[in-house]
Amino acid sequence: LVLTQSPSASASLGASVKLTCTLSGGHSSYAIAWHQRQPEKGPRFLMRLNSEGSHTKGDGIPDRFSGSNSGAECYLTISSLQSEDEADYFCQTWDTGIQVFGGGTRLTVL
Amino acid sequence: EVQLVQSGAEVKKPGDSLKISCKGSGYTFTSYWIGWVRQMPGKGLEWMGIIYPSDSDTRYSPSFQGQVTISADRSTSTAYLQWSSLKASDSALYYCARSIEGELLIDYWGQGTLVTVSS
Repeated sequence: LVLTQSPSASASLGASVKLTCTLSGGHSSYAIAWHQRQPEKGPRFLMRLNSEGSHTKGDGIPDRFSGSNSGAECYLTISSLQSEDEADYFCQTWDTGIQVFGGGTRLTVL
Repeated sequence: EVQLVQSGAEVKKPGDSLKISCKGSGYTFTSYWIGWVRQMPGKGLEWMGIIYPSDSDTRYSPSFQGQVTISADRSTSTAYLQWSSLKASDSALYYCARSIEGELLIDYWGQGTLVTVSS
């Protein structure tokens, strides 16, 4: 069970960006979580995303953050990018007795 | 309000033992898996292991099995991560994290504990 993320992404202030997390073969039905880690801060849970594309967000997460998926690819879309969105974004999933993290995507807001 | 409050930063010497803590509040501590995640400088998040406080069922990542011990005290709603003999390579930021009920997807994080091991 592996999660694959692109190491980096960039987008302009006020624009939208779509980050991708790909589940390894045979695991496309797995739910994932998206987490944000801002510089010098601890991680924050953004949302849980199931295989049907339904997402449940964490406390206080703005509407600008949304999740979707297509097959094994899971997406985090951030609209109306703000400077504080510049952060590392990790996806995470699980199986019986294990937790798995993707390598993370560093988002730069230009 | 769910909170996970971790113990403070530690500076230790190689060979020292260490136990760091994570106190949960605002929820039923025994009903949720709680675990530990390592962040090395400039690196991603690494899952270390988890414990179910109700029965102390504990699972470890193969990378950390035998290197650390995870435990929990139901009476104080506190989870622990301990080392018997630290190495310089254990220097990192350690987070505790609670999982969604019935799953192992994380929904709450502690603030992190910085461990520095240096002679």
